[in-house]
Amino acid sequence: ILNVEQSPQSLHVQEGDSTNFTCSFPSSNFYALHWYRWETAKSPEALFVMTLNGDEKKKGRISATLNTKEGYSYLYIKGSQPEDSATYLCAFSADTGFQKLVFGTGTRLLVSP
Amino acid sequence: DSGVTQTPKHLITATGQRVTLRCSPRSGDLSVYWYQQSLDQGLQFLIHYYNGEERAKGNILERFSAQQFPDLHSELNLSSLELGDSALYFCASSSWDNTDTQYFGPGTRLTVL
Repeated sequence: ILNVEQSPQSLHVQEGDSTNFTCSFPSSNFYALHWYRWETAKSPEALFVMTLNGDEKKKGRISATLNTKEGYSYLYIKGSQPEDSATYLCAFSADTGFQKLVFGTGTRLLVSP
Repeated sequence: DSGVTQTPKHLITATGQRVTLRCSPRSGDLSVYWYQQSLDQGLQFLIHYYNGEERAKGNILERFSAQQFPDLHSELNLSSLELGDSALYFCASSSWDNTDTQYFGPGTRLTVL
């Protein structure tokens, strides 16, 4: 059974704070790790897909790192804004080929003005 | 707008009935994925089709079936519906497999009364 864990479960920060979340996944048979941003009443929006150990990706104020050997990925948000409020999901895919994507339960971020 | 369309947006039906959810992928995407999000649960992978062929199966009930047609649109059929099938059903598409970004549709909210 593939288990993807995210921490913390929820986070409340002030505007301007920087924050980070963790996604833990099985370290064997790694294939891909996805990060999504999911706002209430909308559909998940892709942030990053990471496939190589040591990968670092950046999109504006949001960045992510990947460590496949130890089975974790970090998502960082620099200078949080109220519009960053959303649930951040990570999803893990094992092996090669067309394997299923297993989602974590997400980190719910609330940024107060 | 992700480019993935899903119809209908909302569906209300009774127990024991059968419904069909439809998904049109982004232009050029060959893979279609179906996910279920029930109350208090994260996104659960149901099934993946690539260019008309089933590629991976997740936690999909035997009462559920899916197919992808030659024009690449996909349908998810849910039969003998139970109250517990009430959920948000998302379709996503990607160009190839789990190393590619998945683009989510707006979802179909199914309510079984």
